[in-house]
Amino acid sequence: DGGITQSPKYLFRKEGQNVTLSCEQNLNHDAMYWYRQDPGQGLRLIYYSQIVNDFQKGDIAEGYSVSREKKESFPLTVTSAQKNPTAFYLCASSPRTGNYEQYFGPGTRLTVT
Amino acid sequence: SQQGEEDPQALSIQEGENATMNCSYKTSINNLQWYRQNSGRGLVHLILIRSNEREKHSGRLRVTLDTSKKSSSLLITASRAADTASYFCATVPLGTSGSRLTFGEGTQLTVNP
Repeated sequence: DGGITQSPKYLFRKEGQNVTLSCEQNLNHDAMYWYRQDPGQGLRLIYYSQIVNDFQKGDIAEGYSVSREKKESFPLTVTSAQKNPTAFYLCASSPRTGNYEQYFGPGTRLTVT
Repeated sequence: SQQGEEDPQALSIQEGENATMNCSYKTSINNLQWYRQNSGRGLVHLILIRSNEREKHSGRLRVTLDTSKKSSSLLITASRAADTASYFCATVPLGTSGSRLTFGEGTQLTVNP
């Protein structure tokens, strides 16, 4: 899982509550990403950031928000507007955009009831 | 939307056999990447192949890319029980930011001891 940490590993919330997932990297990577994975499926891009104080929406940004105030941190907030928030959330980073692989954290499994 | 589609969805083989997984995609690409995911964990990068490359090797892994057919294959030779995991292809579509990896739904490989 390389130099990327996600916390917590498991998170439980009640419907209607916002929740923030942590992602920290010590790889000195410029770019960071958030993905959502549903059971038996591939990853879908939520948000990504190529540089501090800048981020772009991915394919499924509705109901999520992010910030990138520091190079090493890219927290994801799952808001109450997200209709189906229960999923496995994965954070990743890469040295920069272009022909580079991404390094993934261990993931956070969020359950909302 | 999912750019890549893996085939088969599931594959079960005996230790020592070779495993071949295929990936098809819809639009022209900058590069194609293969990742492995053990159950409940983050993804691990395996190989990146650029659009002007046709074949790449890494240890027991061999990846081919046919841009005319918009397809790629991942071959794992002399498989081991530890190779049991889900395998995903991911593409960077031509003309998009290198950040926008698009994942397929994966192939679940089971290697029986």
